[in-house]
Amino acid sequence: DIQMTQSPSSLSASVGDRVTITCRASQTIATYLNWYQQKPGKAPKVLIYGASSLQSGVPSRFSGSGSATDFTLTISSLQPEDSATYYCQQSFSTPMYTFGRGTKLEI
Amino acid sequence: EVQLVETGGGLIQPGDSLRLSCAASGFIVSNNYMTWVRQAPGKGLELVSVLHRGGDTYYADSVKGRFTISRDNSKNTLYLQMNSLRAEDTAVYYCARRSSSSWYFFDSWGQGIQVTVSS
Repeated sequence: DIQMTQSPSSLSASVGDRVTITCRASQTIATYLNWYQQKPGKAPKVLIYGASSLQSGVPSRFSGSGSATDFTLTISSLQPEDSATYYCQQSFSTPMYTFGRGTKLEI
Repeated sequence: EVQLVETGGGLIQPGDSLRLSCAASGFIVSNNYMTWVRQAPGKGLELVSVLHRGGDTYYADSVKGRFTISRDNSKNTLYLQMNSLRAEDTAVYYCARRSSSSWYFFDSWGQGIQVTVSS
């Protein structure tokens, strides 16, 4: 199985800050990397797919980059509603899609 | 509008069985790649089972031989039959649809249903 390692596991930041979360795959996954946001008691919601494509309806302050094994999710100017847990997911190895362990972001 | 609604969860004793249902609207389940994803308390997301539109199935090692994924086309509903339940199966279970995009992300999720295995 492809292992996904996220860092940090948690972080605290302020409104207006720029925040970066990283995700590393245990083997190359090209750009088959997706990012999800999950708020307490809610289902995950996709933010970024294909490493850098913004899902429809997602604010443009969210962006993704990377390829092969190293990826980043950036929030350019934090808003209070961005408080959530963020997960990366590889979709290269069908059907064994695996998720990272998550990054809890506190504002 | 695409919607997924899970039902069938609850409190159950170790060793017992439970069947989860996921009723879909706004799209046809049998034309899509459908999954069950679970989240144990305070933990991350784990892909539990997959049902390809062609009928092929996949199970995580942790549930193989105990869980069965299926669908009823006439009801446009996805199921997860869970047998020989263990305490470690305690989690919120989500059904999710894989998008038709070639990037294979999960674009629609149910609200989640709690399954608690405890004596």
